[in-house]
Amino acid sequence: EVQLLESGGGLVQPGGSLRLSCAASGFIFNNYAMHWVRQGPGKGLEWVSGISGSGGSTNYADSGKGRFTISRDNSKNTLFLEMNSLRVEDTAVYYCAKRHLDKANWFFDLWGRGTLVTVSS
Amino acid sequence: DIQMTQSPPSLSASVGDRVTITCRASQSISTYLNWYQQKPGEAPKLLVYYASTLQSGVPSRFSGSGSGTDFTLTISSLQPEDFATYYCQQSSSTVLTFGGGTKVEIK
Repeated sequence: EVQLLESGGGLVQPGGSLRLSCAASGFIFNNYAMHWVRQGPGKGLEWVSGISGSGGSTNYADSGKGRFTISRDNSKNTLFLEMNSLRVEDTAVYYCAKRHLDKANWFFDLWGRGTLVTVSS
Repeated sequence: DIQMTQSPPSLSASVGDRVTITCRASQSISTYLNWYQQKPGEAPKLLVYYASTLQSGVPSRFSGSGSGTDFTLTISSLQPEDFATYYCQQSSSTVLTFGGGTKVEIK
């Protein structure tokens, strides 16, 4: 079955760190760029970061630049998001999303169910 | 960053109604515009890409149009399962941005 399964969310204090994982199955993982998108409580979708299929190219939204690091382990079909210096405003459900193969238009044709990150003292 | 503005933020409609949601980009994005549907407690689902191409499996009552800065998502005859929040997303820039969403509620 083609699916994405996130894990690693939880409660963390401001200034703390967390590492999210996303296990992929049912498709050739290293053929696809992968992204993280988050959604604050009662809010809209916000793109966080993306990484190419090989892992050689990454990009970030300004909100996470310098604090978040995206990576992947293609031997384990797993995507990661390392989050440091967490802020209250980082509280959100974090979704892992598979980017379509189209190289010109970046859109997401498969999403995980999300993992909740709560930053609070 | 390219700002995406959706309108209206919410709307109430009845089953069978024709519904139109608008998305405006702060600069021209050609047709690098995609639409998603999200139901409460669920992940978003891709509906339309390249402004007007329907994703496989999406009912034909959904359609998208537009280019440049102005785009629309239309539901020709609203069905009970269509009550959800809809988001547009641009990919003209590698800094991807979403619209604020349009919540479609039952009248």
